[in-house]
Order: sequence, then C-alpha cells, then structure tokens
Amino acid sequence: AQKITQTQPGMFVQEKEAVTLDCTYDTSDQSYGLFWYKQPSSGEMIFLIYQGSYDEQNATEGRYSLNFQKARKSANLVISASQLGDSAMYFCAMREGSGNNDMRFGAGTRLTVKP
Amino acid sequence: DAGITQSPRHKVTETGTPVTLRCHQTENHRYMYWYRQDPGHGLRLIHYSYGVKDTDKGEVSDGYSVSRSKTEDFLLTLESATSSQTSVYFCAIRKAGARTGELFFGEGSRLTVL
Repeated sequence: AQKITQTQPGMFVQEKEAVTLDCTYDTSDQSYGLFWYKQPSSGEMIFLIYQGSYDEQNATEGRYSLNFQKARKSANLVISASQLGDSAMYFCAMREGSGNNDMRFGAGTRLTVKP
Repeated sequence: DAGITQSPRHKVTETGTPVTLRCHQTENHRYMYWYRQDPGHGLRLIHYSYGVKDTDKGEVSDGYSVSRSKTEDFLLTLESATSSQTSVYFCAIRKAGARTGELFFGEGSRLTVL
C-alpha cells in the first residue's frame, strides 16, 4: 500500500516567492522519520531536510523548512525565496521505526521556478 | 559525498540477457540499498544489505538478486532482463549511528532493456 502521497505532480512558482510542496503519509508507528530529497535534471538525489516524529520543533535548513502536522499526518516542504536552481523533482520519504527499516518514497513533485 | 560509485552508468541490453550492476563504496558503511526509479512511482526498494553476506528483499525484488561478498561492493543482478526492468537504478548507503539516518545515493545507472 502506498504510504507516502504527493498529490502535486507539477508546481510552478515565481522566482523569489515561497512555495509549499505537499506530502501526506500513513503509518501506525509512533516512531518514524520524514525526509525530503531534491533531484535536479542531472539526476542525483540530494538530501534536504529531516523531521523525526518526536521532534517538537519543525525542521529548518536554510531556505527549506518542514511544516510538520502530526495529527494530520502531513509533512509539507516549504521553500522560501525560490531560485531558478530550485527547479527539480522533489521527493518526500518516510522510514518507520528505527534500525534497518526501508525508506519509502512518494511519487514526487516537479517544481519549476519561473524568472 | 559518501564515496559511492555505480557502474555501468548506462547500459542497453536485450531481453533475456543477464545484467549486473555494481555499487562500490569507499567508507565501509554497513547498510547498502538498491532502488529503482520509475515515473509515477518515485523510488522503490529492490534489495538491501546490512553487512557482508547479509541481504534482504525489498518491495520489488522479483527478478532481481544481490550479493555482497565484501563490505565495499553490493551487486545487483538481473538474471534474465525483461523490458519491465528498464529503469534508473540507484544505490544508496546509510551511515550507522546517524540520528537522522538519511540515505546517500550514487549517481544512478540507467538500464534499457530492448
């Protein structure tokens, strides 16, 4: 069963504006981690940000922040002050529990930043 | 950079032929993974390894086998390639003990099965 849902196949944003990429997840575990990755057109997978299920504060990394709403099971990525270089595919992922549980990915959202 | 090298980076083969993809890491990480990426599916786990000769199946393991005879190399084998295995394959490692446990990915191997 699909555990990570990204409902936006494609998004457009004007340069310098903020954009939110949606991610919802499904788990019955109390302990889990949420991740966002960026994949530019060159193809590499770049880790952006992590949120643990027990973390009380929303994660932030530079222009990236994670809007974590535990009760709604959502972990939206917010990119502030978009840049042309932010144009890429973005994947939300989750790992349940700890140890060697596998990481499950959503289908991705393609973000295009317009000049 | 987690010192991950995948080879070959590109391969075109014919249905029914065997194919082996190699993932090589230089930092002695215990956990290694093989994912495939397809449009509309994101990345899906094929097999993973938690040590030499310790491997397990992932979500889409049918038609694939793996081997890990030494820490630095994790091999993915398609015994008899099919067109449905046309995909981009990513190897990844996880650094044991890291709080966040993110995966670090290789550059990917694009496989086309005709």
